[in-house]
Amino acid sequence: DPKIIQKPKYLVAVTGSEKILICEQYLGHNAMYWYRQSAKKPLEFMFSYSYQKLMDNQTASSRFQPQSSKKNHLDLQITALKPDDSATYFCASSQGGGRVAETLYFGSGTRLTVL
Amino acid sequence: QQQVRQSPQSLTVWEGETAILNCSYENSAFDYFPWYQQFPGEGPALLISILSVSDKKEDGRFTIFFNKREKKLSLHIADSQPGDSATYFCAASGPGTGSNRLTFGKGTKFSLIP
Repeated sequence: DPKIIQKPKYLVAVTGSEKILICEQYLGHNAMYWYRQSAKKPLEFMFSYSYQKLMDNQTASSRFQPQSSKKNHLDLQITALKPDDSATYFCASSQGGGRVAETLYFGSGTRLTVL
Repeated sequence: QQQVRQSPQSLTVWEGETAILNCSYENSAFDYFPWYQQFPGEGPALLISILSVSDKKEDGRFTIFFNKREKKLSLHIADSQPGDSATYFCAASGPGTGSNRLTFGKGTKFSLIP
């Protein structure tokens, strides 16, 4: 059974709309992350949360807002969607508090297409 | 500015051969280097990792060689098997990069000649 669940697996949106990407982890981990993978760029770090608090943010745009309602949830809200936002978004988690060299465990991703 | 570079972009070998995947980095603060393996439709999964205090790390058929002075590392896949066909990502992080933020290379797509 997958230990990191991302929903939906595929998502199509129109430009200007808003979507929420869901992530739940059942590994008992304390840190959660969002990464983005697009055809043109390498896998990019977006956010990290440790014990439900924002730890690190590499996303310049405020259109991307992580939301942590529970310890094992880290959803990603994206507003005013643009075609450039089209990518596969991966949620990940690590056991500790997000210290360097902790192993990241990735979900299978949500593939977002913005038309 | 790409901080982690990988070569080649794609690599094809015969079954049983040893494949060598290369990686280089620019940030001297990087001290942790994991390699992730990704199959189509799945998320990346940790394959093997090394800390900068070591120059070699072995795990079964997979070996990392690390050269701190040249800021280079390589992943050797010995006795390549069909199940090894995947994309391999070199990544890096360190105390100077903030938290557990990994910087990834663009990946090497590895396949075997059928």
